[in-house]
Amino acid sequence: AQSVTQLDSQVPVFEEAPVELRCNYSSSVSVYLFWYVQYPNQGLQLLLKYLSGSTLVKGINGFEAEFNKSQTSFHLRKPSVHRSDTAEYFCAIETSGSRLTFGEGTQLTVNP
Amino acid sequence: DSGVTQTPKHLITATGQRVTLRCSPRSGDLSVYWYQQSLDQGLQFLIQYYNGEERAKGNILERFSAQQFPDLHSELNLSSLELGDSALYFCASSVGLQPYNSPLHFGNGTRLTVT
Repeated sequence: AQSVTQLDSQVPVFEEAPVELRCNYSSSVSVYLFWYVQYPNQGLQLLLKYLSGSTLVKGINGFEAEFNKSQTSFHLRKPSVHRSDTAEYFCAIETSGSRLTFGEGTQLTVNP
Repeated sequence: DSGVTQTPKHLITATGQRVTLRCSPRSGDLSVYWYQQSLDQGLQFLIQYYNGEERAKGNILERFSAQQFPDLHSELNLSSLELGDSALYFCASSVGLQPYNSPLHFGNGTRLTVT
């Protein structure tokens, strides 16, 4: 079965610091991987996705993620975070039956 | 604004009752997905409809049912409610069948509290 695991439930960082949110996946077939963000009291928004090709994927709001097949990882990074990046971030994998299976979520809190 | 409208925003009801959650997808979107978000189980896929037909089923309880109407809006019916059904229920819509080529757009959710 295909699944994703987010390795950190909470990540506190200071403003303008770099951040990495970690996601590992499990799959025996080709994967489609996604990162979504959920701001307070809102639904999820797509940040970026990996389908194939270049392993470095750029998304919105300055985020990027790197697909690493040997490590089965898809970590999300941002070189300099802002207070407005405070949100919950979800890694997801497209599984059979055209559904998205989400990880447990990582709460990113950017402190002044 | 994602363009996906969910009503009501909040719902408080008692155990044993039945409720209906409504979702209006973005204009032009044919797929509707329902997800449940709770503290203990995270985001769980419930069911997907495409152009009125059920396309995929996830961890949806037998007490729950859904449908998509000819105008493409969808309703999620929850019956014989239990305390554990308290959660945020999200609807998402997309143009096509598969997330990899047809991004999901999520509504702001309906927060259900069962007392």
